Amino acid sequence: QLQLQESGPGLVKPSETLSLTCSVSGGSISSSSYYWGWIRQPPGKGLEWIGSIYYSGSTYYNPSLKSRVTISVDTSWNQFSLNLRSVTAADTAVYYCARHVRGYDLTYGYYYYMDVWGKGTTVAVSS
Amino acid sequence: SYELTQPPSVSVSPGQTARITCSGDALAELYAYWYQQKPGQAPVLVMYKDTERPSGIPERFSGSSSGTTVTLTIRGVQAEDEADYYCQSTDRSATYHVFGAGTKVTVL
Repeated sequence: QLQLQESGPGLVKPSETLSLTCSVSGGSISSSSYYWGWIRQPPGKGLEWIGSIYYSGSTYYNPSLKSRVTISVDTSWNQFSLNLRSVTAADTAVYYCARHVRGYDLTYGYYYYMDVWGKGTTVAVSS
Repeated sequence: SYELTQPPSVSVSPGQTARITCSGDALAELYAYWYQQKPGQAPVLVMYKDTERPSGIPERFSGSSSGTTVTLTIRGVQAEDEADYYCQSTDRSATYHVFGAGTKVTVL
């Protein structure tokens, strides 16, 4: 059974870089059927997609975060990572990693949805 | 930017039917997906491609689509269904994922 586990510091200082890793077990990150991505949820608020990556390294980012975000993949370790630069208190959130199913049909073309999620890790930005 | 609109809250008595809507200009041309999130837990996929139910999700959950609105229906609501529900879709290029603001379902 596929499992995803986020790891990284729970506290980051303002202006520094938030770095998280998602370790994938029970399946290969190199499958052509999936993307892998990050989603966050500020306290008491809704979900926000941060970005996604394919095992080949192809990435898509939320335009509102694109200038500060880098997502990378390490297929040898079966994991992918998030770097968010120049953080502020507004980046305080629970960060989730998730597998994105990648499909295609003749009606709507490519589609993606998140079928397996990690438990999430809380990151606070504070001095 | 592309937005999905959900009602903030829906209240329903046990055994009754809850309907949660999600509206977006492109939903007539794109699939929508639904996630259930209980307090302190990660979201769980409960509906994909508008009407498909993942294995393990109870049959009382169903989805429908009409024009630019998709609906998640929970028939015979149980106390355990009390949660936040988020719809999600992508833009037409499928490179941008967007979530609705979420609907809190309260079982009275």
